[in-house]
Amino acid sequence: SQTIHQWPATLVQPVGSPLSLECTVEGTSNPNLYWYRQAAGRGLQLLFYSVGIGQISSEVPQNLSASRPQDRQFILSSKKLLLSDSGFYLCAQEHDRALKGYTFGSGTRLTVV
Amino acid sequence: GQQLNQSPQSMFIQEGEDVSMNCTSSSIFNTWLWYKQDPGEGPVLLIALYKAGELTSNGRLTAQFGITRKDSFLNISASIPSDVGIYFCAGRRAGNQFYFGTGTSLTVIP
Repeated sequence: SQTIHQWPATLVQPVGSPLSLECTVEGTSNPNLYWYRQAAGRGLQLLFYSVGIGQISSEVPQNLSASRPQDRQFILSSKKLLLSDSGFYLCAQEHDRALKGYTFGSGTRLTVV
Repeated sequence: GQQLNQSPQSMFIQEGEDVSMNCTSSSIFNTWLWYKQDPGEGPVLLIALYKAGELTSNGRLTAQFGITRKDSFLNISASIPSDVGIYFCAGRRAGNQFYFGTGTSLTVIP
């Protein structure tokens, strides 16, 4: 089975501070991993995806970056947060059987003040 | 990226009513998925569809893979309060990532 751990669950950070959100997964090795952002009550915006260690693809130019230092670890970072970075961040893992879509973590609610 | 449009954007219904929502794409997909997101949680997969015309049920939920392969539909029968949440469709062409719809927010009034 697949399990995704995301932390922290909630975070309040001042503008200009750094950010590090961590996602670790269990299950198949070398999974495809994804970071999404969701504005309040809105759809899912794909930020980054990774098909392997050190391999990051960015979907949207922004103030954020991602890294994959280990097979089952995916990190979302920022050097200086902006107010517009507030949102609900979700990590996702592609299912063992790729046709079954993604398994999502429980998310991190980030509020930049 | 690929845009999937969901309709309606939001729904307010009485408990016991049936619900219908749809998702349309400008491209042909060979897989359609439907997810539900409870408030403050990540989306959870409800139904997966792999073939044009396919009709699949999961309890009170029924989803269909459109014949044109550019749309999909989700129906919820006899809604209950715990059906509240945001419903997302997702579509995929072979070998590509999944693209998510804009979401339908459902509110069930007891």
